[in-house]
Amino acid sequence: QSALTQPASVSGSPGQTITISCTGTTSDVGGYNYVSWYQQHPGKAPKLMISEVSNRPSGVSNRFSASKSANTASLTISGLQAEDEADYYCCSYTSSSTPYVFGTGTRVTVL
Amino acid sequence: EVQLVESGGGLVQPGGSLRLSCAGSGFIFGSYWMTWVRQAPGKGLEWVANIKLDGSEKYYADSVKGRFTISRDNAKNSLYLQMASLRADDTAFYYCATHLNWAWDNWGQGTLVIVSS
Repeated sequence: QSALTQPASVSGSPGQTITISCTGTTSDVGGYNYVSWYQQHPGKAPKLMISEVSNRPSGVSNRFSASKSANTASLTISGLQAEDEADYYCCSYTSSSTPYVFGTGTRVTVL
Repeated sequence: EVQLVESGGGLVQPGGSLRLSCAGSGFIFGSYWMTWVRQAPGKGLEWVANIKLDGSEKYYADSVKGRFTISRDNAKNSLYLQMASLRADDTAFYYCATHLNWAWDNWGQGTLVIVSS
């Protein structure tokens, strides 16, 4: 099972909107509405930002939103802030023998 | 407040064994599936294994199947990962997490396992 494909890096200025893509196949992202997104600051544990494609847990800023189209999921951060600078990972349930696969990760830089 | 605290990491020789523990508090431990996720230093996240509420179902990544065993003791609010036949590529931070709605909503701080001679 190969990792889901994410851009290595995305950057934006404060206040801007950025989008991170997460591309898989019909066996994972395209086949199930079980895509989640995680934020990870250096030296810290990951934090759940989105579950089940687009559900935002309590306490997560509404500047974070997500969606899915075919085999690609997307995380959008609007009104970019310095605190959003972190690594972001998508994850999907899969039909393979390893039931979950993470994305390759995206480093978000706030210019 | 939900807390997950991993322990048991350390330096182990290739081919050796290690048992990780994860102590949960602030929630009804027996009401959650639990998961182990690992991250090699400077690398991405990798799902390792998960276990059902009562321990009756367990699932593993292909990379650890047959070498790692996940278990839990709900009376002790604890999750375990018994690791055997360890290899250099098992070197990673190991995180435990609660599993809810096909995602992991609470994470521990991680414990580092280094496999090296």
